[in-house]
Amino acid sequence: GAVVSQHPSRVICKSGTSVKIECRSLDFQATTMFWYRQFPKQSLMLMATSNEGSKATYEQGVEKDKFLINHASLTLSTLTVTSAHPEDSSFYICSARDDRDTQYFGPGTRLTVL
Amino acid sequence: QKEVEQNSGPLSVPEGAIASLNCTYSDRGSQSFFWYRQYSGKSPELIMSIYSNGDKEDGRFTAQLNKASQYVSLLIRDSQPSDSATYLCAVSSSNTGKLIFGQGTTLQVKP
Repeated sequence: GAVVSQHPSRVICKSGTSVKIECRSLDFQATTMFWYRQFPKQSLMLMATSNEGSKATYEQGVEKDKFLINHASLTLSTLTVTSAHPEDSSFYICSARDDRDTQYFGPGTRLTVL
Repeated sequence: QKEVEQNSGPLSVPEGAIASLNCTYSDRGSQSFFWYRQYSGKSPELIMSIYSNGDKEDGRFTAQLNKASQYVSLLIRDSQPSDSATYLCAVSSSNTGKLIFGQGTTLQVKP
């Protein structure tokens, strides 16, 4: 299957700092990538849809100024959590969609905000 | 009615048995259906995709799709303890292209 990478896998930061997470599709081009968040023992929650060369589409209740998404190429999307606070601590997972409508997930980034 | 419904389980089967996981969906226009496996603390991993009615087999896994009944299932033959995980049924929305997930079924395979 296709491979999607995420970096970093784990990050601990102080409250008020910004954190950037990278998502790369390694062996296919993805015009559309997705960003999810998952809290312990809860379901995946879609945060936003990232489209190459255009603005991201955010789900209801997700602050676009807090979660900045950039999809600059067909293989790279980034999520920046700005002015992070402890309540932003979560497991952030990206996915990339191929031309058969299949989403492949990255390994996730565990964010802890102190 | 939820858009994608799964029994949350846990579904417990003995090692070597067949595990049967079921899923129903409400969007009649959906064309793409997926099963993902998620281990605790890890991200989802694609197990099977299925797009047309009938069965699709890949190793120990068989996905079954019945669009008329709006039903998708996953059979795992010769279940192993390493198959113990949460299995997510996902359906691609015909309106938005986003994946709609079921709440997941927890499978426990006992040695």
